[in-house]
This record gives sequence, structure tokens and C-alpha cells, in this order.
Amino acid sequence: QKEVEQNSGPLSVPEGAIASLNCTYSDRGSQSFFWYRQYSGKSPELIMFIYSNGDKEDGRFTAQLNKASQYVSLLIRDSQPSDSATYLCAVSGAGSYQLTFGKGTKLSVIP
Amino acid sequence: EAGVAQSPRYKIIEKRQSVAFWCNPISGHATLYWYQQILGQGPKLLIQFQNNGVVDDSQLPKDRFSAERLKGVDSTLKIQPAKLEDSAVYLCASSLDLAGELFFGEGSRLTVL
Repeated sequence: QKEVEQNSGPLSVPEGAIASLNCTYSDRGSQSFFWYRQYSGKSPELIMFIYSNGDKEDGRFTAQLNKASQYVSLLIRDSQPSDSATYLCAVSGAGSYQLTFGKGTKLSVIP
Repeated sequence: EAGVAQSPRYKIIEKRQSVAFWCNPISGHATLYWYQQILGQGPKLLIQFQNNGVVDDSQLPKDRFSAERLKGVDSTLKIQPAKLEDSAVYLCASSLDLAGELFFGEGSRLTVL
């Protein structure tokens, strides 16, 4: 059974700092990797996805993937209080968006 | 463009009662998913439809849960009889096709007393 592991947190960082969120997965056949943000009481929204080893940057967000180590991370630069949310890591197999989610890491950005 | 619509947003029932949730996906989206999210956990896939056919229902507790997607558009998820552990948010998501990005609805929060 596919498993996705995340530190549940909470992770607290001061405003303006870099937040680092980590995720490991069990299925070596996983092909696609996603980070979702979920505000309390709201539905998940996609922040970033990554398919290839290395880094992918989008604004203040950088996703990092290391398939050999079965590890994916999300860096948030210049963290803002509005970034305070739960971040869900999700993985899927080839050609499919059938996602397996981790439990999520709760991030709190302190003003 | 309208998003994924779900109703009701909140439902409180007693154990052993039944409940049904409705989902209307984004227009033109062929793939529809129902996820269960228990408090403090990530969403867990219950069932996936492609048009009106089931792609995967391996994690659906079929003794009490059922789902259908008539005419390949709207979908209904039913729980009968409900148990305390069914208390969760039921998220519907849709995508253009099997490899498309998921768009989630606001969810239906179920409390079983």
C-alpha cells in the first residue's frame, strides 16, 4: 500500500523566514508529486507539482524532488502570516491523478 | 467558470441513520473523485469515476457506502448505516480526464453522534 509520510508539526517560523516542509513516500513507482495548501475549514488547493528530479520554482515556492531518496520538499521563502495553513503532500503513479495524500504539516508563520 | 459544487455543506446525524451527499463537477470534467478527510489526516480516496464508470473503489467500505454517477455528470455518495467513525469531511473533486489536475469542492462535513 502506498504511504506518504509528513511531519504533522506544527512548524512555526517567523515572518520573512524560510519554511521547509518535507515528505517521504513508499512507492518507488510514483511519478508525480504535488503540494496542496489547505486553510482551516477549506478544501485543498494545488500550489505546485513536480515530476523530475531537482528543483522547481514558482514565485516564493520551490519544490524539490529526489526520487532516489523518495523524498520531496517544499520551501516557502519570505514566509507571510497568510501562508499559515496545513500543507499536504500527495503522490500519484504514471498517467494518473489518483492521489495518495500525507497527513499534512501545519505551518504557522508568526508576525 | 463555476467550480465543483457540493451539498449539503454540513450534516449532523445519529449513528445508524443514513445520509447522502451530492456533487456537481466542473462542466466538461470526465473524472470525478470522492475523498474522505478525517480531522487531522489527509484526504483518502473512496471512489473514482471516469464518466459514469467506476475506475477504482478499492477503499470504499461497500457494506455501508455507495456511490453513483448517473449520466456521467452529477454524483451521489450515500452512507447507510452511518457509524461514529464516518465523521469526516467528504470532498468531491473533478478533473478534465484521468491525467488532469484535480479541483476540489468545498466539502460536506458530516458529524455522526
